[in-house]
Amino acid sequence: GENVEQHPSTLSVQEGDSAVIKCTYSDSASNYFPWYKQELGKRPQLIIDIRSNVGEKKDQRIAVTLNKTAKHFSLHITETQPEDSAVYFCAASRNSGYSTLTFGKGTMLLVSP
Amino acid sequence: DTGVSQDPRHKITKRGQNVTFRCDPISEHNRLYWYRQTLGQGPEFLTYFQNEAQLEKSRLLSDRFSAERPKGSFSTLEIQRTEQGDSAMYLCASSPTGPDSDTQYFGPGTRLTVL
Repeated sequence: GENVEQHPSTLSVQEGDSAVIKCTYSDSASNYFPWYKQELGKRPQLIIDIRSNVGEKKDQRIAVTLNKTAKHFSLHITETQPEDSAVYFCAASRNSGYSTLTFGKGTMLLVSP
Repeated sequence: DTGVSQDPRHKITKRGQNVTFRCDPISEHNRLYWYRQTLGQGPEFLTYFQNEAQLEKSRLLSDRFSAERPKGSFSTLEIQRTEQGDSAMYLCASSPTGPDSDTQYFGPGTRLTVL
């Protein structure tokens, strides 16, 4: 089955800096890669996703890049703000009629003012 | 609120008791998923429904666990003879059909504590 590795497990940055979180996956058939943000005690919220037919996607301060050859994808957050502090999860799935997501272990991002 | 809802939000039970959780997906989402999340980990897939049909179950879903979605709308997850290792957050997610069928929206979860 699919295995998703996520690094780093914790990331501390100063407000205004950029943050990068990296994930690798094992199943070459995976073709959908979402990122979720989970604040303490809250539900995971989808913040951005990418499908294997594109290499990069941006939405304001966040972007995701995908390298299918190397089987890795990354989340980039620019101009970080304290409200970006949360746990971020990457996930991967294959399009087999439905999508069972396999998640990484998460990255705790702390943005200090 | 038109998002995924779950009930109860918290459940404390004694070892050996049975518990049941409910999930109401986003209206018209015909795909429903259950995940389990333990502290410091990402959600782990438990089971999946398309309409009322349960199409896949993870090996994590022991025979003490059963899930139903009788009318293709809300779903229930029952754990029988709970064990301390069942303590976790149980998350439900739903997704629509069509081109965005792989986009899953999560509920707030039910936090289970087994004493």
